[in-house]
Amino acid sequence: KQEVTQIPAALSVPEGENLVLNCSFTDSAIYNLQWFRQDPGKGLTSLLLIQSSQREQTSGRLNASLDKSSGRSTLYIAASQPGDSATYLCAVRPDNAGNMLTFGGGTRLMVKP
Amino acid sequence: DVKVTQSSRYLVKRTGEKVFLECVQDMDHENMFWYRQDPGLGLRLIYFSYDVKMKEKGDIPEGYSVSREKKERFSLILESASTNQTSMYLCASSWGQTHQPQHFGDGTRLSIL
Repeated sequence: KQEVTQIPAALSVPEGENLVLNCSFTDSAIYNLQWFRQDPGKGLTSLLLIQSSQREQTSGRLNASLDKSSGRSTLYIAASQPGDSATYLCAVRPDNAGNMLTFGGGTRLMVKP
Repeated sequence: DVKVTQSSRYLVKRTGEKVFLECVQDMDHENMFWYRQDPGLGLRLIYFSYDVKMKEKGDIPEGYSVSREKKERFSLILESASTNQTSMYLCASSWGQTHQPQHFGDGTRLSIL
């Protein structure tokens, strides 16, 4: 059964710092991987989706990479801002699971002014 | 922009009541999903639907049922609410084509007393 782990569970950084969030998964037979952001008490906002054949995706200050063979993805946030404070979740869609996603537990990020 | 709307942000019900959670999306998405989110357990899929009147069980379907009579609307039903169903419930939708991200509503925080 696919398991998705995100370390660290929480992270606090000063504004302006570049940072990396980690996501690992146990079964490399994935179809795609998605990164989400969740603000307190709210739903999830899709940030980036990486197909299994891709190595990375970029959107503004965000860059997500995927190393399928090692079961890892990273989300790089450049020049962090207080507005980036949120919980970041990764989710994998396994090959054989239709549209179902398996989520990691998330990393709670705080960017201090 | 995709809009996924959940009928209530907060809901308080009593044990044994039949509870309906409603979700509507405005993008003609084929797929719709219901998740629950609990501290320490993350997001878990309850049910999903890939077409009108079609449904598939997720990881934790026990105690729940769903209804999809129209493409834009997906209802989650707690047949006889219990206190262990107190949770944050999140609805999502996506296109049926491959590599399409899931879009989430803002969630319903349900308390069963």
